[in-house]
Amino acid sequence: AQSVTQLGSHVSVSEGALVLLRCNYSSSVPPYLFWYVQYPNQGLQLLLKYTTGATLVKGINGFEAEFKKSETSFHLTKPSAHMSDAAEYFCAVSEGDMRFGAGTRLTVKP
Amino acid sequence: EAGVAQSPRYKIIEKRQSVAFWCNPISGHATLYWYQQILGQGPKLLIQFQNNGVVDDSQLPKDRFSAERLKGVDSTLKIQPAKLEDSAVYLCASGDGHNSPLHFGNGTRLTVT
Repeated sequence: AQSVTQLGSHVSVSEGALVLLRCNYSSSVPPYLFWYVQYPNQGLQLLLKYTTGATLVKGINGFEAEFKKSETSFHLTKPSAHMSDAAEYFCAVSEGDMRFGAGTRLTVKP
Repeated sequence: EAGVAQSPRYKIIEKRQSVAFWCNPISGHATLYWYQQILGQGPKLLIQFQNNGVVDDSQLPKDRFSAERLKGVDSTLKIQPAKLEDSAVYLCASGDGHNSPLHFGNGTRLTVT
C-alpha cells in the first residue's frame, strides 16, 4: 500500500524566508501526489496536486512542489513566508484511496 | 458550490456510550471518505465509499465502528461503544473521480471521557 513520510513535524521560519516542507512517498504505481493545508478547527484544503506531466506544479498562495521520481520526493516550497502561512501541512498519495503523512506544523516568526 | 457538510461540530460522551456523525458530500461526488484525525497526527482512512458501495474498510475497527451511505449521498459513521482512544476529529471528504483531490468538511471533534 502507498505511504507518505513527512520529515520534520515542526518547521519554524522568519517572515520573508524560504519555506521548505519535505515529503517522501512510497507507491507501487505512478503516484498521484497532493499537498493540503489545515488551519485550526477546519478541514483540509487542497494546495496543489501532481498527476502526470510537468513535474513542477504550482498551487495556491504562492506554493509550489516538485515531483522527483528518482528521489521519491514531493517537497513543498514557497520563496517568501507570510504570517498567514502558519498552519499544518499534509502531504498525501493516492492509488485510488488517499493516504496522508503525519503533517508538518509551520510557524512563521515576525 | 456548497462544501462538504458535517454535523455535529463537537460531541462529548462518556466511554461505552454510542455516537453518530453525519456527512453530506458535495453534490455529484461519487466517492466519500471518513478519516480519523487524532491530535498531532495526520488523517487516517477509516472507510471509503464509491456511490453506496464500500471500496475499502480495512482500517475500520468493525467491532465498534460502522458506516453506511444510503442512496449514495449522505453518510453516517457510528461508534458503539466508544472508548477513550476514540477521542479525535472525524473528517468526511468527497471526491468526483479516481485519484481526484478531496474536499473536506470541517470535521466533528469527539471527546470521550
